[in-house]
Amino acid sequence: DTEVTQTPKHLVMGMTNKKSLKCEQHMGHRAMYWYKQKAKKPPELMFVYSYEKLSINESVPSRFSPECPNSSLLNLHLHALQPEDSALYLCASSPRPDTTRTREQYFGPGTRLTVT
Amino acid sequence: DAKTTQPTSMDCAEGRAANLPCNHSTISGNEYVYWYRQIHSQGPQYIIHGLKNNETNEMASLIITEDRKSSTLILPHATLRDTAVYYCIVSGGSYIPTFGRGTSLIVHP
Repeated sequence: DTEVTQTPKHLVMGMTNKKSLKCEQHMGHRAMYWYKQKAKKPPELMFVYSYEKLSINESVPSRFSPECPNSSLLNLHLHALQPEDSALYLCASSPRPDTTRTREQYFGPGTRLTVT
Repeated sequence: DAKTTQPTSMDCAEGRAANLPCNHSTISGNEYVYWYRQIHSQGPQYIIHGLKNNETNEMASLIITEDRKSSTLILPHATLRDTAVYYCIVSGGSYIPTFGRGTSLIVHP
């Protein structure tokens, strides 16, 4: 299995809703990432998990809450989002974060989030 | 991690080689150069990476200059499906993978 899967593909939520995005990989990768991408912009890093521990949080608002229950699974819990949070949310994984030569990232197809 | 500079856009005729440059003049000794591409509305796709030797795989070739201050991604026979935004990233000690604006490659018939 050489892919990263993300569910759901599309999500529409109101500003008072709570929802979660899910990401899964079965490649034995030990780093997982969340990115946010707005239209016609490059992906922006949000969080990095390294060996199931949160290693990087790029000053993301607390209404986004990541969780890494095990080495294959990454969740992003969403609460009280704003319309400007509407974007494509991308998950990625890479083999080993602790050496610079093994950081190639494999991305999922993304979840298209719309906040109304 | 070293910053990268890429042209905003390029175009290429189908069947010809596409050569995409990237400048990374502040790269340090243990930093690798990674290339990705993103086809419209899809997740980015890993292409290739290297340290100092030239690398080739089934998708592309990566040529890194001897001083490592720049590199070129080569798609040897571009097809219409290679139309995408191509990103060059340098990965080093701080390991915050940062995507710049990339190069928008248009392959035309």
